[in-house]
Amino acid sequence: RKEVEQDPGPFNVPEGATVAFNCTYSNSASQSFFWYRQDCRKEPKLLMSVYSSGNEDGRFTAQLNRASQYISLLIRDSKLSDSATYLCVVNAPYNQGGKLIFGQGTELSVKP
Amino acid sequence: DVKVTQSSRYLVKRTGEKVFLECVQDMDHENMFWYRQDPGLGLRLIYFSYDVKMKEKGDIPEGYSVSREKKERFSLILESASTNQTSMYLCASSSITGGDKNIQYFGAGTRLSVL
Repeated sequence: RKEVEQDPGPFNVPEGATVAFNCTYSNSASQSFFWYRQDCRKEPKLLMSVYSSGNEDGRFTAQLNRASQYISLLIRDSKLSDSATYLCVVNAPYNQGGKLIFGQGTELSVKP
Repeated sequence: DVKVTQSSRYLVKRTGEKVFLECVQDMDHENMFWYRQDPGLGLRLIYFSYDVKMKEKGDIPEGYSVSREKKERFSLILESASTNQTSMYLCASSSITGGDKNIQYFGAGTRLSVL
């Protein structure tokens, strides 16, 4: 089983759609959770951290379920500019020098 | 803003050459990382460092070495480049404290082609 698993997609959605990405992680000792965004041929950039209580940043909502070891990202009112690959990221347990474990990414394509 | 700078965006080398990829961060971060990214394989960790002169192997260290003589600089070395090391190389850094603890900030990447 992979340490971080995501649906690879691609997700093809029209502008204005709501889209949800799911992610599971294998080690219950992980403490930090993130969503990163990576545009084509660019570096990954932090989209948002994910907190136990859930958090929202504009059109983006992240949720964490520790009991199920499940993380989600919801994007409302999709824009063309949201087209990218979204990476689910958790920290390696026992804080191994700040090591992060990256999922393979879910590709999103928003069409006019 | 955190800035992670990689010395080259594109690099073309010949098989057997020694290759140095340099990375510098300006935020006094303790941790630094080298990844490679290939289509369909995602980000794979090569080496990381949590302090000056300290280094740890990642998931795919074979064929690579690293050097961290100063806190802000982390170098990746390909002792004898091979064609299967053609890839996008990404450097990242992170802090061990504060509000952005463990958040990794990436450089723009170096696209290396080994011919």
